[in-house]
Amino acid sequence: GAGVSQSPRYKVAKRGQDVALRCDPISGHVSLFWYQQALGQGPEFLTYFQNEAQLDKSGLPSDRFFAERPEGSVSTLKIQRTQQEDSAVYLCASSSGQLYGYTFGSGTRLTVV
Amino acid sequence: AQSVTQPDIHITVSEGASLELRCNYSYGATPYLFWYVQSPGQGLQLLLKYFSGDTLVQGIKGFEAEFKRSQSSFNLRKPSVHWSDAAEYFCAVGHTGTASKLTFGTGTRLQVTL
Repeated sequence: GAGVSQSPRYKVAKRGQDVALRCDPISGHVSLFWYQQALGQGPEFLTYFQNEAQLDKSGLPSDRFFAERPEGSVSTLKIQRTQQEDSAVYLCASSSGQLYGYTFGSGTRLTVV
Repeated sequence: AQSVTQPDIHITVSEGASLELRCNYSYGATPYLFWYVQSPGQGLQLLLKYFSGDTLVQGIKGFEAEFKRSQSSFNLRKPSVHWSDAAEYFCAVGHTGTASKLTFGTGTRLQVTL
């Protein structure tokens, strides 16, 4: 597609519920990143894929967070047993491999109530 | 560890006035530096980047930034602000290595008065 697509745009989850956030990168982009942006803060790195390989997951805040990209294209960020502190905008970005050549999606706003 | 400081949380300028947004970084080597803009409900758009070479970098929408190693700064400037520039601005430093991940500052919200 023309840009990075994220769905849903908004998600309200009850505390303890599991959620799955989807990212469709630009076609052909080998690199994919997830960032978490809390209210009033800058984005913070969560994890990075090169094709289907998850090369860096150092930013995932707990073992409740899990990301996958099984076919090297679409990626899913899953959060189990959501907590209020998980409320944030989750941004996905993809890159063709050009150094820092990111294109960001519009994000998914997750609200945990 | 890398870090980025944007000391101004909120700035208000009049349309047509000049703008300077401050950014200071902490990084052990020569940094890769970026400015992004985020409009409400939107993703991040790259304004400009500095990798090496000329320390004055030109970007999109009439923005420029100057890398000053002695001050560990990378301030964003625009000579004449337009109402459509109202948004959140983020400075970021890039990590070297395979991941090419970014560390962002906390952002500066720009308000433009008519």
